[in-house]
Amino acid sequence: DAKTTQPTSMDCAEGRAANLPCNHSTISGNEYVYWYRQIHSQGPQYIIHGLKNNETNEMASLIITEDRKSSTLILPHATLRDTAVYYCIVGRFYSGGYQKVTFGTGTKLQVIP
Amino acid sequence: DAGVIQSPRHEVTEMGQEVTLRCKPISGHNSLFWYRQTMMRGLELLIYFNNNVPIDDSGMPEDRFSAKMPNASFSTLKIQPSEPRDSAVYFCASKGGESEQYFGPGTRLTVT
Repeated sequence: DAKTTQPTSMDCAEGRAANLPCNHSTISGNEYVYWYRQIHSQGPQYIIHGLKNNETNEMASLIITEDRKSSTLILPHATLRDTAVYYCIVGRFYSGGYQKVTFGTGTKLQVIP
Repeated sequence: DAGVIQSPRHEVTEMGQEVTLRCKPISGHNSLFWYRQTMMRGLELLIYFNNNVPIDDSGMPEDRFSAKMPNASFSTLKIQPSEPRDSAVYFCASKGGESEQYFGPGTRLTVT
């Protein structure tokens, strides 16, 4: 599975957009990009995923570059409750729906009032 | 839906004792994962079950660790004998079909 590189930490002002980058230069054609976040002491929470097209849901937007070697998670209006560690991971579906993903160290996002 | 349920939420035990962690996946999900999280190693996948069958246990650290899934609604992770280096937060996650993984609240294990 492809490895990802993320900044260790980032700050964002409350109400502003948070843009979290991720490099995955060794991603293969059948691997998806997933984003999860982990708020202190809780289990990781799924945010969004995509293969090659940009994706948007009620939580965030995911922008994947055309060569798929990097992506950006966008939280459009960050709130204090978005303070968490954000994991960018790549994984793929095997037969039977097996999703092998490897969590890296993630980006610690601090939303500042 | 109550989500993934794990018990106990906290466990403190002495070195050498047997520890059993429990997980109830979301109803209808056919995949179950056990993870371990420590400050040093981050979040590691220990074992994956599909339709109650262990598919990938390459992350299980050693023979002291074992996992079972006797039916679609229950799984256990057992450590026997436990050691201080097993202290960590253990997460269970489930997945249905092609969907994302849903994680439980975790069990914080402390082995003294």
